[in-house]
Amino acid sequence: EVQLLESGGGLVQPGGSLRLSCAASGFTFTDHVMTWVRQAPGKGLEWVAGISGGGGSATYADSVKGRFDVSRDNSKNTANLQLHNVRGEDTATYFCVRVSGTVTTFDSWGRGTLVIVSS
Amino acid sequence: QLVLTQSPSASASLGASVKLTCTLSSRHGGDAIAWHQHQPEKGPRFLMKVNSDGSHTKGDGIPDRFSGSSSGTERYLTISRVQSDDEADYYCQTWAAGVRWVFGGGTRLTVL
Repeated sequence: EVQLLESGGGLVQPGGSLRLSCAASGFTFTDHVMTWVRQAPGKGLEWVAGISGGGGSATYADSVKGRFDVSRDNSKNTANLQLHNVRGEDTATYFCVRVSGTVTTFDSWGRGTLVIVSS
Repeated sequence: QLVLTQSPSASASLGASVKLTCTLSSRHGGDAIAWHQHQPEKGPRFLMKVNSDGSHTKGDGIPDRFSGSSSGTERYLTISRVQSDDEADYYCQTWAAGVRWVFGGGTRLTVL
C-alpha cells in the first residue's frame, strides 16, 4: 500500500523558513516524480513544486519560484520542501503527492501538513 | 493557456446520479485529465484518469459507482447511487509542458 506521510508544518513568521518532509513507502520511490500541492484556507488546490525520480530536475510554480526548494533523499525514501522568505499567502495545508508513471497524473496523496504564516 | 473550468457547486439527492464537468481550454481539448475527491479533514484521493476518447482508468479501490467519460473538450465524472459519503470537493487536474500540473477550481458536491 502506497503511503505518504508529511511532517514539519507549523507556525512561522513572515520572512522565515520551514522545512517540510514526506516519508514514502509501499512503492519504488525512484520510479516516480514527487510533487507538493497546497490548499490555502477556503481555496482550491494549487501545485507548488515537483522533482524527478533521480532528483536531478526540479520545477516550481511561479508563485514560489526563488523562495521554495524541493529535494529528495532516495536512500531514505523522503521528499522535502524547504520554504524560505514565507508570506501570508503561503499559509496552507501542504500535500505530498506521487505522480503516476505517465507523468501527467497525480495518483497518491498524503494527508497534508499545515503551515501558518503569522507574526 | 491551459485552463480547466469547473462549476463551483453541484447537488444530488441520496441514491440519485450526478455528472460533474471539467472543461479544457480549446488548445488542450485532446488532453486527458484526472479526477480527485477531497473530503473534509482528509487528504485528497485520486479517482480516475479520463482520456479524450472517454476511456478511463480508476484508482485502487474506487467503487464502480464512479465512472468517467468525455465529449469534445469536456471531461465528466459520473457518480451513481450517490451516498452521503460522496459529499466532497471534486477537482480535475492535468499536465502540460511549460505550465506543468494544473487544477480546475473544484466543484463542491452537496448530497441532499
